[in-house]
Amino acid sequence: GIQVEQSPPDLILQEGANSTLRCNFSDSVNNLQWFHQNPWGQLINLFYIPSGTKQNGRLSATTVATERYSLLYISSSQTTDSGVYFCAVGDATNKLIFGTGTLLAVQP
Amino acid sequence: DTGVSQDPRHKITKRGQNVTFRCDPISEHNRLYWYRQTLGQGPEFLTYFQNEAQLEKSRLLSDRFSAERPKGSFSTLEIQRTEQGDSAMYLCASSFRNGTKETQYFGPGTRLLVL
Repeated sequence: GIQVEQSPPDLILQEGANSTLRCNFSDSVNNLQWFHQNPWGQLINLFYIPSGTKQNGRLSATTVATERYSLLYISSSQTTDSGVYFCAVGDATNKLIFGTGTLLAVQP
Repeated sequence: DTGVSQDPRHKITKRGQNVTFRCDPISEHNRLYWYRQTLGQGPEFLTYFQNEAQLEKSRLLSDRFSAERPKGSFSTLEIQRTEQGDSAMYLCASSFRNGTKETQYFGPGTRLLVL
């Protein structure tokens, strides 16, 4: 099956710093989504981005499908950005295969 | 659009008991997915429905697990004879598949603890 790897596994930032999270996947995919999981376990949709670039406020994402990776950029980080960020890719039936996540801690 | 809802939010049970979880998807979404997440891991696919038809089941879904979506709306996930290894967060997601474009939206999850 498709393998999804995320890096780095953990990241500590000072408030106001920028960061880049990476997602590599092992095969062509129909779907790619980025999620933020808050401390209560809720998965919050950030981007649906099987290819191309999107921006939403301080967040942006780029997927290069031909090279099988996606990047999530967080600019001017805030303490509320803390949590786990997951990349998930959809296989042929579009069930999502998740990476192991990046745990982000933003310190004031 | 009230989002995906799940009930209960938490469940504590004793080993050997049966439990049932409910998921109400976003209205008019034709696909409904169940995932399981254990501590420190990403969610793992269990099963999914398109309307009322269950189209795929993961090998993770042992014969103690059964899922239904009787009228293509809400879904239930039942675990019989629970084991301590079933302790996890059970997540439901729904989507509307339009060609190849499909965004899944997740509910808040049901956290199960088996004692």
